[in-house]
Amino acid sequence: DGGITQSPKYLFRKEGQNVTLSCEQNLNHDAMYWYRQDPGQGLRLIYYSQIVNDFQKGDIAEGYSVSREKKESFPLTVTSAQKNPTAFYLCASQDRGTMNTEAFFGQGTRLTVV
Amino acid sequence: RKEVEQDPGPFNVPEGATVAFNCTYSNSASQSFFWYRQDCRKEPKLLMSVYSSGNEDGRFTAQLNRASQYISLLIRDSKLSDSATYLCVVKDTGRRALTFGSGTRLQVQP
Repeated sequence: DGGITQSPKYLFRKEGQNVTLSCEQNLNHDAMYWYRQDPGQGLRLIYYSQIVNDFQKGDIAEGYSVSREKKESFPLTVTSAQKNPTAFYLCASQDRGTMNTEAFFGQGTRLTVV
Repeated sequence: RKEVEQDPGPFNVPEGATVAFNCTYSNSASQSFFWYRQDCRKEPKLLMSVYSSGNEDGRFTAQLNRASQYISLLIRDSKLSDSATYLCVVKDTGRRALTFGSGTRLQVQP
């Protein structure tokens, strides 16, 4: 089955630690995105990538880093520089070909700082 | 000003009611428009794309007004299962990334 998989589903981090969230897709999509959602809020764009080996900062990139070494993978690292990392993180992928194509989301990772 | 603005609600309606949500966007370069549905603690899923001529999918109708830069979603004959948060989403030709509104919460009551 084609889809997009995020892991882990729940993640606990101690203050000062870096953690990496995994996002893998087998939909053959060029575009991939990372969003953050806080309770009662919409999704805010962290980073996005339209093609392998290229990515751009979104609206709230500070304290985060990404890589796009393979088409199917777009991991997100939450660094110790991110002051308030507790949130729901969502990864999405989309076919880059046309503007109206659907973006598919993973099931998300809930990150909690303890 | 937020790029995509929605009334957060909640909209509390009885089963069978008709309910409408509006959304405004600020970037005139926006070219693609969508409504996504998000259930509590789940990922968003596409409800429908919004086309310039307006489009309908069963009980759901979406409209786009480019001149006024707003998008609407109409739900007829509301069901209990329609209870969710509805996210307005736009995509512009420049950045080519999806920008989300903060969502409108709908609660359909028996």
